[in-house]
Parts: sequence; C-alpha cells; structure tokens
Amino acid sequence: GQSLEQPSEVTAVEGAIVQINCTYQTSGFYGLSWYQQHDGGAPTFLSYNALDGLEETGRFSSFLSRSDSYGYLLLQELQMKDSASYFCAVKGTALIFGKGTTLSVSS
Amino acid sequence: DSGVTQTPKHLITATGQRVTLRCSPRSGDLSVYWYQQSLDQGLQFLIQYYNGEERAKGNILERFSAQQFPDLHSELNLSSLELGDSALYFCASSVGASGHQETQYFGPGTRLLVL
Repeated sequence: GQSLEQPSEVTAVEGAIVQINCTYQTSGFYGLSWYQQHDGGAPTFLSYNALDGLEETGRFSSFLSRSDSYGYLLLQELQMKDSASYFCAVKGTALIFGKGTTLSVSS
Repeated sequence: DSGVTQTPKHLITATGQRVTLRCSPRSGDLSVYWYQQSLDQGLQFLIQYYNGEERAKGNILERFSAQQFPDLHSELNLSSLELGDSALYFCASSVGASGHQETQYFGPGTRLLVL
C-alpha cells in the first residue's frame, strides 16, 4: 500500500524558518509533491521533486532523498500569510496525499 | 483562480438522497480527478478520468460514481447519502494522463452537508 507521514501541526513566528518533514511508503514512486491549502480553500501546487536534492522557489525549498523515502518542505522568512496546511503527496497509480501539516505563524 | 470550476459551492441535503457535483477542467486539460476531504481523513483520492475514460480508481465507495463527458466536464454522483459523506469535494485537472510529473490544478470545491 501507500502511506505518508507528516507532522500534524507546526508553529513558528514571523521571520523564522520552518521545515516540514514527510516520510513515505509507496510502490512505483515517481516523485514527491507539495501543496498548500488555506483554510477552506483549494490546494495549490508548491513544488515537485523527482530526483534527489534541493529545489528552490523563492522563500520555499523542497528536498527529496529517494533512498530514505524522505522529503521536506523548507519555508524561510515566514509571513503571516504562510499560515495554512501543507500536504506532501506521492504518485503511484494516483496522487496520494498525506494528512497535512497545519502551520501557524504568529507575530 | 486555477481555471477549474466546480458547482455548486455548497449543498445541503438529507440522508438517503442523491446529489450530482459538477466540474469543468482548465482549458486544454484532459484529466479530471475527484477528491474527498473530511476533517479526519485529509485529502482522499476518489477517481481519475482521462479524455472520457476511467484512468485510476482510489477509495471510491460503490454508492459513488463519476463520468467525464465529451466536452471534458465531469460529474460525481453520490447516492444513498449518509451523514459521513459530509465533506469538501474537490475536482482537479491536469494536462495529461499520468499525473506524476504534472501539476494538478484544484477547483474551489463543493461543500456537502448531509443532515
């Protein structure tokens, strides 16, 4: 089967750096995606890693280690608007999402 | 705005009833995916259609069915509704069939409340 584990909640203050980890178990792994969802809104795509290493997109970076079945999303220079849920997702026969990490950023 | 549209935004119905949720993908996208999001289960993949054909199936109940029409819009039919079916239902679309290297664009969702 397929499963993903990520922390349920993370808290941080504005300007800080936060890392959200994701470990996965799946067959037919193609890559690891990250999505952001603000409360009640639609999930939006943040990043995708197919190969090992770090991908940087502005304040957000994502890392993948295929040998460790592990990845993380790194959020830098946190802003209040980054308060949201963050989902890792792996693609086997379909895109399977983790249960999400709720990030709360305070001032 | 992702370009994916879903109707209705909200739906309130009673147990035992049947409802239909509608989704129009982004222009040019051939794949449509349906997801259910409830508080305790996160985003659960239900089913994928590609160019009118069922492509992948997830944890979709037998009471639920979907189809994709020639104009590529899709409908999710939920029947014999139970209280536990109350959830946010998202539709997403992508260009191709495999999805593993493709971004999925999500619609705003339909919030279903079964009383």
